[in-house]
Amino acid sequence: GDSVTQMEGPVTLSEEAFLTINCTYTATGYPSLFWYVQYPGEGLQLLLKATKADDKGSNKGFEATYRKETTSFHLEKGSVQVSDSAVYFCALTPSSNTGKLIFGQGTTLQVKP
Amino acid sequence: DAGVIQSPRHEVTEMGQEVTLRCKPISGHNSLFWYRQTMMRGLELLIYFNNNVPIDDSGMPEDRFSAKMPNASFSTLKIQPSEPRDSAVYFCASKSSGTGVNYQPQHFGDGTRLSIL
Repeated sequence: GDSVTQMEGPVTLSEEAFLTINCTYTATGYPSLFWYVQYPGEGLQLLLKATKADDKGSNKGFEATYRKETTSFHLEKGSVQVSDSAVYFCALTPSSNTGKLIFGQGTTLQVKP
Repeated sequence: DAGVIQSPRHEVTEMGQEVTLRCKPISGHNSLFWYRQTMMRGLELLIYFNNNVPIDDSGMPEDRFSAKMPNASFSTLKIQPSEPRDSAVYFCASKSSGTGVNYQPQHFGDGTRLSIL
């Protein structure tokens, strides 16, 4: 079945460091891909999305490119801030048109000043 | 615009009691999802509705759990009787299921933190 695998955390970085969180997926056809972020005590918020191969989603300095050939959707940010500390979830919606989201296990990011 | 509204935000009750969690989706959204989040199991989809009709309840853990959506603006998740292992954060999410259903993101509420003593 369809699935999403994220790099295990926690990831600990110093402020202004470069961030990469790896995400790979298994799915038939052409799923849509998402990154969600969860701040402490809150629900998940959409961070960015990409709906077809080679699309780049971007928001708040974060970017991810839909790579069909490597079935990946890695999240990157050039310079992280303390306020970026949160849990990040990679997710996909299968091309079977159910509208369901399949989530990765989440990666905790801690940014230290 | 108001987001997805869940109530209560926190619930503490004793095992055996009935628990009812409530969700008001974003107006105009016609898909609604209930999730459970725990440290051990992560995010689990419990059930989802399209146009108020349950589509997939395969994630509902057992018969003690039930969910209803009597109209487009309200849904409940009920646990009866509750057990300590039901302690978790329960999220409701909604999305539009119009054209391009797979592109539309889900919008999450802030969750209900449930503790069963």
